[in-house]
Amino acid sequence: GENVEQHPSTLSVQEGDSAVIKCTYSDSASNYFPWYKQELGKRPQLIIDIRSNVGEKKDQRIAVTLNKTAKHFSLHITETQPEDSAVYFCAASGGVSNAGKSTFGDGTTLTVKP
Amino acid sequence: DAGVIQSPRHEVTEMGQEVTLRCKPISGHDYLFWYRQTMMRGLELLIYFNNNVPIDDSGMPEDRFSAKMPNASFSTLKIQPSEPRDSAVYFCASSPGPTTSSYNSPLHFGNGTRLTVT
Repeated sequence: GENVEQHPSTLSVQEGDSAVIKCTYSDSASNYFPWYKQELGKRPQLIIDIRSNVGEKKDQRIAVTLNKTAKHFSLHITETQPEDSAVYFCAASGGVSNAGKSTFGDGTTLTVKP
Repeated sequence: DAGVIQSPRHEVTEMGQEVTLRCKPISGHDYLFWYRQTMMRGLELLIYFNNNVPIDDSGMPEDRFSAKMPNASFSTLKIQPSEPRDSAVYFCASSPGPTTSSYNSPLHFGNGTRLTVT
């Protein structure tokens, strides 16, 4: 089955700096890669996603890049703000054996210091 | 749409008691997932359903755990008997599933049930 590894497990940045979180996946059939943000005591919520037919996607201060050959994808947050502090999860899904199912990374706790 | 609805939000019970968690998925979503979240193990997929049929229950910890989906708008996760190590936040999520171009869709999570077993 699919295996997703996420790094780093914790990340602390100064407000205004950039933050990068990286994930690798094992199943070359995976074709959909969402990122979820979970604030303390809340549910995970989708912030951005990317399909395997695209190398990069951007939404304001958030971007995701995908390297299918190397089987890794990354979340980039620019001009970080204190409200970006949360746990971020990457996930991989798709392929015949994993239709509908997502495999999550272990999460990255991002702290943005004012 | 009200989103995925879970109940109860909090459950405190004594070891050995039966616990039932409930979930109402978003209407029209064909996939329903039960996740457990703890600090030590992160987000664990317990079981998921497609069109009310269990597809993969390999994440269910042991026979004490069972899940049902009697219809498209309701699912339950039952723990009997409960143990202190079952204390966690249990999330239900739903998804439309793969698109016509075979890409998956994002999960929509409920607010979770925080279970404490003493």
